[in-house]
Amino acid sequence: GAGVSQTPSNKVTEKGKYVELRCDPISGHTALYWYRQSLGQGPEFLIYFQGTGAADDSGLPNDRFFAVRPEGSVSTLKIQRTERGDSAVYLCASSLTGGLAGGSDTQYFGPGTRLTVL
Amino acid sequence: GQNIDQPTEMTATEGAIVQINCTYQTSGFNGLFWYQQHAGEAPTFLSYNVLDGLEEKGRFSSFLSRSKGYSYLLLKELQMKDSASYLCAVRDLSGGSYIPTFGRGTSLIVHP
Repeated sequence: GAGVSQTPSNKVTEKGKYVELRCDPISGHTALYWYRQSLGQGPEFLIYFQGTGAADDSGLPNDRFFAVRPEGSVSTLKIQRTERGDSAVYLCASSLTGGLAGGSDTQYFGPGTRLTVL
Repeated sequence: GQNIDQPTEMTATEGAIVQINCTYQTSGFNGLFWYQQHAGEAPTFLSYNVLDGLEEKGRFSSFLSRSKGYSYLLLKELQMKDSASYLCAVRDLSGGSYIPTFGRGTSLIVHP
């Protein structure tokens, strides 16, 4: 596919459960980003990967949130012991270089996963 | 933080022109982005400004003044499909991060 894809599109879970959200970036993009977006707000940065490593995880709200990108392509965002406040749309984006080469390095977003914690 | 400020909501008439403003505060400015986001969909890239001036792309133009910490997105010949949220995002390298920070977005409603 040409764009960023995310699965599942919707996830409903119960408080305290564990969830995994998957992101398939655009082929060849070295940078991958996770954002969280609540209604009426802009995307809030969570974590950024450059290749396989997490270059910036300063946006993760607490240690219940973790993300991996083991082969430098697909990434999984993992949330343990989910809370109602985790309900949001989780957006993934990828870009060619992560801004390291200068220029715009446009981020291309996936359709998001809508997470609802009951 | 970048203290990005945009109006929450704007309304305009089909066929008209609308200007959506964005102000920001940074110490290491390295580019400003505008994205369009329709309800329930992903943000899509509209424009990028890193130097002062106007960038024109069809019906959409984006302006930047770095000294004033100010940008605007200009939409001409508005169409109903332009009803969406418009997000301003700023890249600030002062903290060593390349990650753009997004504003809350401006919800634009175009009516007949």
